[in-house]
Amino acid sequence: NAGVTQTPKFRVLKTGQSMTLLCAQDMNHEYMYWYRQDPGMGLRLIHYSVGEGTTAKGEVPDGYNVSRLKKQNFLLGLESAAPSQTSVYFCASSYGGYGTKTGELFFGEGSRLTVL
Amino acid sequence: AQSVSQHNHHVILSEAASLELGCNYSYGGTVNLFWYVQYPGQHLQLLLKYFSGDPLVKGIKGFEAEFIKSKFSFNLRKPSVQWSDTAEYFCAVNRYSSASKIIFGSGTRLSIRP
Repeated sequence: NAGVTQTPKFRVLKTGQSMTLLCAQDMNHEYMYWYRQDPGMGLRLIHYSVGEGTTAKGEVPDGYNVSRLKKQNFLLGLESAAPSQTSVYFCASSYGGYGTKTGELFFGEGSRLTVL
Repeated sequence: AQSVSQHNHHVILSEAASLELGCNYSYGGTVNLFWYVQYPGQHLQLLLKYFSGDPLVKGIKGFEAEFIKSKFSFNLRKPSVQWSDTAEYFCAVNRYSSASKIIFGSGTRLSIRP
């Protein structure tokens, strides 16, 4: 049981290049999230999805796009990378809905992105 | 705007000392509250959570947290820390009315001297 898997784990980009981070979960979770983690700023929510075919903006969505074509996958795209997007990106998923399981996030191992 | 505040950025303790990490949030209404831990080089994992009921919540590894609604706080405590508790700790909140949007605090780095 893999849980939440992110690819790639490391990537170096030049300014202006594009790339896609892939997140896959095998827990049949409804909700999926992309966060970025920067020193002293904790985790900031970029985009999230409450189900297949849906996406919503989080705290810091600018410069990113996402898609959730399949329930198990959540893609994060950078169309034109900037040095300010150098960060560690975490994908997470959760059961979704109301009740005791809501908000319990399962995280991937992170993807370290450097934009030169 | 929604916010979660963790005022202690870096805490340094000796083994066996008691720990309390502060967390405050800025929403009214019903909230769900969480503490996550990130050990060096690892991803975040859930330490404990509060949804309703007893405001004193017990989690894994001897951690507990107390929800004080009047103070909008959810502080994390441990009576006696160990070297293996060295990690970064994140408080997180979501509003019951917007269950999908989970917001994290900036984190507290805990260093334990052996």
